[in-house]
Amino acid sequence: QQQVKQSPQSLIVQKGGISIINCAYENTAFDYFPWYQQFPGKGPALLIAIRPDVSEKKEGRFTISFNKSAKQFSLHIMDSQPGDSATYFCAASVGNDYKLSFGAGTTVTVRA
Amino acid sequence: NAGVTQTPKFQVLKTGQSMTLQCAQDMNHNSMYWYRQDPGMGLRLIYYSASEGTTDKGEVPNGYNVSRLNKREFSLRLESAAPSQTSVYFCASSELLAGEQFFGPGTRLTVL
Repeated sequence: QQQVKQSPQSLIVQKGGISIINCAYENTAFDYFPWYQQFPGKGPALLIAIRPDVSEKKEGRFTISFNKSAKQFSLHIMDSQPGDSATYFCAASVGNDYKLSFGAGTTVTVRA
Repeated sequence: NAGVTQTPKFQVLKTGQSMTLQCAQDMNHNSMYWYRQDPGMGLRLIYYSASEGTTDKGEVPNGYNVSRLNKREFSLRLESAAPSQTSVYFCASSELLAGEQFFGPGTRLTVL
């Protein structure tokens, strides 16, 4: 049973649009929430991460929103570009081991 | 600076055969991880090593063994491969107490 539930499974957005991916968790001990980006044939790479003491973190066009009471967090990709077409994974971990529990992934396709 | 390297890139095994997947990193990281990636399941942690000589089970360790040979290398062994172990295997490394994990390019394993 996956500890982190991710939706949607896939989405298509027009160039310049906003992509939104949602994740939910049950384990309130989770204290680290990263998002990874993966291109076909490659390993995942860290995109952005947040800890539960902040509600939002922004890096360029990528923003994480975190709702501790709802046990949900989401990734917003603003001004989506064709180069953003990839699979995105949310994840969570407890403590300093960083043994990540991943969501199932969302394939994002940005149409030019 | 090659980062995380994995060998082989592709492998086909018959049920019952054994093999070792190799992983090496040149970033002087203490922590290393093995994940498997299956469609619709995201990535699942198989084993983790916080430092040379230490290993810890992850979410799906059954059917696998690991060896942390030295600080650079972390190998994953399948003693008797089963079709359920058909997957893409990723190795990752990170600095001790740091969240960002750096992934290798993956090994695509098929067990017939």
